[in-house]
Formats: sequence, structure tokens, C-alpha cells
Amino acid sequence: DAMVIQNPRYQVTQFGKPVTLSCSQTLNHNVMYWYQQKSSQAPKLLFHYYDKDFNNEADTPDNFQSRRPNTSFCFLDIRSPGLGDAAMYLCATRLAPYNEQFFGPGTRLTVL
Amino acid sequence: GENVEQHPSTLSVQEGDSAVIKCTYSDSASNYFPWYKQELGKGPQLIIDIRSNVGEKKDQRIAVTLNKTAKHFSLHITETQPEDSAVYFCAASPFTGTASKLTFGTGTRLQVTL
Repeated sequence: DAMVIQNPRYQVTQFGKPVTLSCSQTLNHNVMYWYQQKSSQAPKLLFHYYDKDFNNEADTPDNFQSRRPNTSFCFLDIRSPGLGDAAMYLCATRLAPYNEQFFGPGTRLTVL
Repeated sequence: GENVEQHPSTLSVQEGDSAVIKCTYSDSASNYFPWYKQELGKGPQLIIDIRSNVGEKKDQRIAVTLNKTAKHFSLHITETQPEDSAVYFCAASPFTGTASKLTFGTGTRLQVTL
């Protein structure tokens, strides 16, 4: 089945230790999004790629970076995780020009 | 920018009853309104959506209505079942060319009791 896959599902890192979260998709969608979702809150958009074009949200901290080496894969890099970065990180995809966004299962990040 | 308000924050209904969740949006340019269901520990799942050229859409037990004039839209779930228990998010998107970014509501935790 075509889907959005996130690895790992659970990630534990130490304060200040760089961490990379992975998203892959078999949908061949041209748009990929990264969201941060804290407990009992709505998903918050960090950035997205439209094909190879990177689009950062104005309030996304510099600590968060992303890479999209090809259509199928997108990575979220957190350069120096703080305790406040503990959250669920969601990847979503969309086939432009259609509106529907499809989410992966998320990676729950714990910062010790 | 767009602002989406969602009510209620929690909703408890008995199995078989109906549930209604309401959202309002602020940006008149928004023209796409999806609803997502999120179960514990999982990613949001798109359950239904509506576009601004349609007033109502139904899919089995789920329906969504849109009032563009009042800038509000609602999710209706009939004959609720325990598996409907989850957090539901509404969202709005002003689709303009290549840009399509969702602004989410704050979520409604639905509990269906036996």
C-alpha cells in the first residue's frame, strides 16, 4: 500500500545532542511537510518542500533544519535539542495541485 | 493570517447518539476545509473534507457542512460507536496556486461511552 513512513517511531536523545528524524513516502507526492505536535495541541507547521523548493515558516527556530535528497525522502534535523523540543513530529505529503495532506504515524521525540 | 477556532474541546456522547463539532475561520480566502481524526499515538487521518463551492458533504455516518457567509463549518457524526473515540481536528487552507498550508483548530476530544 502507498503510504507515508516515519522512522524511528520513538527517539530518545540527550539535551544538545543532534538528532535526525526520517520520513519516506511511496505516494510520489511532490510536497512534503514537517509538523511539530506537543501534547494536547494541534500540529504546528515547521516547514515544507514543494519539489526541491524549501519553504520555512517565519517562527520556526533555526535549530530546526530539513533536507530532501529526492522525491521519496525528507529529513528533519534538530541541531541542539532542548527540553522544549520534546514532541511528536509529523510528516505529511500532498500531490499538488490537490489539497489533501496525508500524514505519517509520527515520531515521538524525548529529550533527556 | 488564518485563525481557526474549534468547539467544544471535549465531548462525551453515548453510543448511538450524534456528535457535532464546530469550527470558525477568519480568512475569507480559505476555500478548503478538512477534518482529521487522531487516535492516541498515531498521526492524523483525513476523514472528510469540503471545498468552498459546496455547502454539505456526506460519507456514510460522517457529514460536514459549510457556511461561507458566517465563516463556520461543522462535523456531524451519527450513530456514534466506541471506535469513533479520538481527537478530531478541523483545518482551513487558503489555497493559492502552489501554496496550500493548513491552519488547524485546537482539537476536540470525543469520548463515546457504552
